[in-house]
Amino acid sequence: ERVMTQSPATLSVSPGERATLSCRASQSVSSNLAWYQQKPGQAPRLLIYGASTRATGIPARFSGSGSATEFTLTISSLQSEDFAVYYCQQDNNWPLTFGGGTKVEI
Amino acid sequence: EVQLLESGGGLVQPGGSLRLSCAASGFTFSTYAMSWVRQAPGKGLEWVSATSSSAGSTYYADSVKGRFTISRDNSKNTLYLQMNSLRAEDTAVYYCARRLWLEGGPFDIWGQGTMVTVSS
Repeated sequence: ERVMTQSPATLSVSPGERATLSCRASQSVSSNLAWYQQKPGQAPRLLIYGASTRATGIPARFSGSGSATEFTLTISSLQSEDFAVYYCQQDNNWPLTFGGGTKVEI
Repeated sequence: EVQLLESGGGLVQPGGSLRLSCAASGFTFSTYAMSWVRQAPGKGLEWVSATSSSAGSTYYADSVKGRFTISRDNSKNTLYLQMNSLRAEDTAVYYCARRLWLEGGPFDIWGQGTMVTVSS
């Protein structure tokens, strides 16, 4: 099983600042890595897939990078609506696995 | 509008059974792989099960293998999750999610979730 480890668990930033979230895989997942945003009481929303491709309708301030075992989600200038929990997920191998999440807070 | 709508959640005793349904609309259901993902209260996301577009292939997390069964009826645009021998640790919001491609990919569309509570 590919264990996905996200850091930090909590990230405190101010609106307008840059946020950098990390995700590490225990073994290579190639570029089969996705990022999701989840707000309280809502279902997750796909942000990035294939490590770096923005999903439909996702603003350009969200970008993803990395391959194999090290991945990064960057939010270039945080907006108020970006404060949420972010999860990474690999779909390279069964079982599909998620990271534990990073909470981005003000 | 592309939409997934789960139903069938509720309160069940340990050892009991429940069948979740997920009605799809707004897209050609039969051409997408589908999955169930759950989230225990205050916890992260956990993938539960997946099926290919034709239901020819199914996959399960170790935590539910042998107890849960995923199925789909492409004529009814509906995904199912039969849950047997339920345990307290199965308590969670259960989401159905569409996978981006025919046989896999990330989860691009999610339902609103249905709550399953296993308790005596």
